[in-house]
Amino acid sequence: DSGVTQTPKHLITATGQRVTLRCSPRSGDLSVYWYQQSLDQGLQFLIQYYNGEERAKGNILERFSAQQFPDLHSELNLSSLELGDSALYFCASSEIQTGTRSNYGYTFGSGTRLTVV
Amino acid sequence: GNSVTQMEGPVTLSEEAFLTINCTYTATGYPSLFWYVQYPGEGLQLLLKATKADDKGSNKGFEATYRKETTSFHLEKGSVQVSDSAVYFCALRGNTGFQKLVFGTGTRLLVSP
Repeated sequence: DSGVTQTPKHLITATGQRVTLRCSPRSGDLSVYWYQQSLDQGLQFLIQYYNGEERAKGNILERFSAQQFPDLHSELNLSSLELGDSALYFCASSEIQTGTRSNYGYTFGSGTRLTVV
Repeated sequence: GNSVTQMEGPVTLSEEAFLTINCTYTATGYPSLFWYVQYPGEGLQLLLKATKADDKGSNKGFEATYRKETTSFHLEKGSVQVSDSAVYFCALRGNTGFQKLVFGTGTRLLVSP
């Protein structure tokens, strides 16, 4: 157990629907990161939050949004789902996010496998 | 921007063979470098890291040396086991600002008995 909890582990939904993925970071970690892993595009960074505030955005579609709550858990909302959104979605956390301490790696959750049918 | 290039997989080896997975990077300044491993059905786990030039990261028999002159961080293991079969990701993180981890495309390793 890495300490990062993601729910649900598996999700099957239809095109056009909306889903919410949840992540609880490792105790003490303030930063949360979301990644999408698909077969054809590898591991893509979506978005980062630090202590409730958005800090960096990557290749995140406008149909996707995220937030981090006061208790530091985070949710990734995916709407108007398309077949191409089928992927593994990973959440990761770290203690701090400033580059001056960049020797910290991330701790990953086990992911949510989303299948859009 | 920062980027990481890994050798294409899959890499297929017999048990006890020597492993090298090549990784090169492009970055400004002095990034930190990482190797992550993903076993089937699991998330990514940090395998080893190096934070400055000539540092050697090591863990579970795996090693990688931060080579600034060749911008490389190749992963090596002297004798692989079947249990090492997994996907290996090279990654870097810049050392200024709100830097995120940038991953390579991953290299699948298959070890047969």
